[in-house]
Amino acid sequence: SQQGEEDPQALSIQEGENATMNCSYKTSINNLQWYRQNSGRGLVHLILIRSNEREKHSGRLRVTLDTSKKSSSLLITASRAADTASYFCATDGNQGGKLIFGQGTELSVKP
Amino acid sequence: EAGVTQFPSHSVIEKGQTVTLRCDPISGHDNLYWYRRVMGKEIKFLLHFVKESKQDESGMPNNRFLAERTGGTYSTLKVQPAELEDSGVYFCASSQVRHEQYFGPGTRLTVT
Repeated sequence: SQQGEEDPQALSIQEGENATMNCSYKTSINNLQWYRQNSGRGLVHLILIRSNEREKHSGRLRVTLDTSKKSSSLLITASRAADTASYFCATDGNQGGKLIFGQGTELSVKP
Repeated sequence: EAGVTQFPSHSVIEKGQTVTLRCDPISGHDNLYWYRRVMGKEIKFLLHFVKESKQDESGMPNNRFLAERTGGTYSTLKVQPAELEDSGVYFCASSQVRHEQYFGPGTRLTVT
């Protein structure tokens, strides 16, 4: 199976609620990144967490990393309709720079 | 500073035809990557250039795909002949340092 597997595959919440997405990977990594793709648009880099970090915040985003479990989570607090998008985690491993993406979580935030 | 740009934004071609996608990286970025997302599946790595050299092309699906980066600036990805399963979104990314990749808006390819 692929690295960077995510769950849930789809998540539907009401505006104002929190959204949590999880990602698992298989190999050792230097860092893990989260990206967002709005429908029909490009990938937007959200946050990068290094392998020696356990938690990172950026605005309404909170990312955790557990290298012992090879997993990460992305929490979006106080969600907005504009947060509706696909969210991907990506790991680099020691792959020479290329990113390994998960299948993504489709987040739908209803107003 | 301009971001990564890709052209065209959308291409519709018939099976058997040829399509060339273009990517202009951020100026000064030596690393250029191609990825694609097929049929709502995960985003998969295709290849990596460092300047004009192919550093890693392990993700190229078959010899119908040809990527070039003459002069180490923009890159092209040619699909010849296109097949139905090539439909998807093709992303280009560039970086200066190894891990901070900036993505373009993607080219949506539809093969009918």
